[in-house]
Amino acid sequence: AQRVTQPEKLLSVFKGAPVELKCNYSYSGSPELFWYVQYSRQRLQLLLRHISRESIKGFTADLNKGETSFHLKKPFAQEEDSAMYYCALSGTSYGKLTFGQGTILTVHP
Amino acid sequence: DTAVSQTPKYLVTQMGNDKSIKCEQNLGHDTMYWYKQDSKKFLKIMFSYNNKELIINETVPNRFSPKSPDKAHLNLHINSLELGDSAVYFCASSHLGGGANSPLHFGNGTRLTVT
Repeated sequence: AQRVTQPEKLLSVFKGAPVELKCNYSYSGSPELFWYVQYSRQRLQLLLRHISRESIKGFTADLNKGETSFHLKKPFAQEEDSAMYYCALSGTSYGKLTFGQGTILTVHP
Repeated sequence: DTAVSQTPKYLVTQMGNDKSIKCEQNLGHDTMYWYKQDSKKFLKIMFSYNNKELIINETVPNRFSPKSPDKAHLNLHINSLELGDSAVYFCASSHLGGGANSPLHFGNGTRLTVT
């Protein structure tokens, strides 16, 4: 079975502060991990995927297989980063994305 | 405008009614999905179709019946609506596998309220 856990339902930081959204997964195979984001009144959209090892909007996420984690980080949070963030895992079932519970990030001015 | 579009955006109905939500994608994807987001924002897959064939069918009541007339459309019909069906339903699409090389593209969601 595949499972994704985001321990923080709510996360508040001030503008300019570092932010880390935690994600842990459970999967017996080789996982593919993603972060999706949903801004207010917008559709859920892909933020980044571990395979790309890219930085999107200043966010990065490193897959740590030893700790089974895929935490999302940004060194300096901006107000426009306020959104709902979902960590997701794709296993062997075709297209079956398992989502975490989501973390609502609020960046205060 | 290439996207996943679903209608209606809002749906308010009474218990016991039957309703449908439509979804269409023009991204050329061969796989489509229905996800349910409950009141706690928990997002869970319900169904997945690849080229009109059902490939994922999670534990969902029989009152929910997806229909895919072609690979660009996946509709969701719900019979005998119950209060617990109130949620936001998201349609999504991808190339087969939905893996790292073909992430999911989501629609804007349909907020269903059952009274």
